[in-house]
Amino acid sequence: AQKITQTQPGMFVQEKEAVTLDCTYDTSDQSYGLFWYKQPSSGEMIFLIYQGSYDEQNATEGRYSLNFQKARKSANLVISASQLGDSAMYFCAMREGVDYGGSQGNLIFGKGTKLSVKP
Amino acid sequence: KAGVTQTPRYLIKTRGQQVTLSCSPISGHRSVSWYQQTPGQGLQFLFEYFSETQRNKGNFPGRFSGRQFSNSRSEMNVSTLELGDSALYLCASSLEGADTQYFGPGTRLTVL
Repeated sequence: AQKITQTQPGMFVQEKEAVTLDCTYDTSDQSYGLFWYKQPSSGEMIFLIYQGSYDEQNATEGRYSLNFQKARKSANLVISASQLGDSAMYFCAMREGVDYGGSQGNLIFGKGTKLSVKP
Repeated sequence: KAGVTQTPRYLIKTRGQQVTLSCSPISGHRSVSWYQQTPGQGLQFLFEYFSETQRNKGNFPGRFSGRQFSNSRSEMNVSTLELGDSALYLCASSLEGADTQYFGPGTRLTVL
């Protein structure tokens, strides 16, 4: 079963409008981390935002916010005031079993959503 | 502070050959992870190194191996290349294993 599901293969948004990219996850761990990355056509994965499972407030980083609904196991990315440079692939990822003693952890990625911003 | 660097950026090999990819993490980062990205399988975890020890490994055959040096730089090696090994190989570094991973630009490997 997929652990990270991104149901929108592609999305269009008008420049300056807000857009929500969906992400649902599946884990039995109590402690986990959720990440969003942006991948432009150049290939580099750019970190956008992080949400810990115990964080009570939704994470925000500039124009990015994460709508975290723990009971529904969803971690949607909201981009406000879209810009042309936001056109890229967006990946939701999860790290399970987070132990802040520095233990191991690998990222599990969703299939991604291709966002296209229209002028 | 310089980001994660990967060399080479592009590589073309033929089936049966072997290849070594290099990754230099952000200064001070001790954990390095490797991922393979293909159109069909998406992003898949290969392995993670921390303080020169492999701490975690994904579901890849033994042809895929890696190591980490005392300065945290890491290399991954793929032996007996197959056509299916054509992919973008991404390296990521973090302070510790549980911290945010920052990715390099990737090495695009093409196997002919």
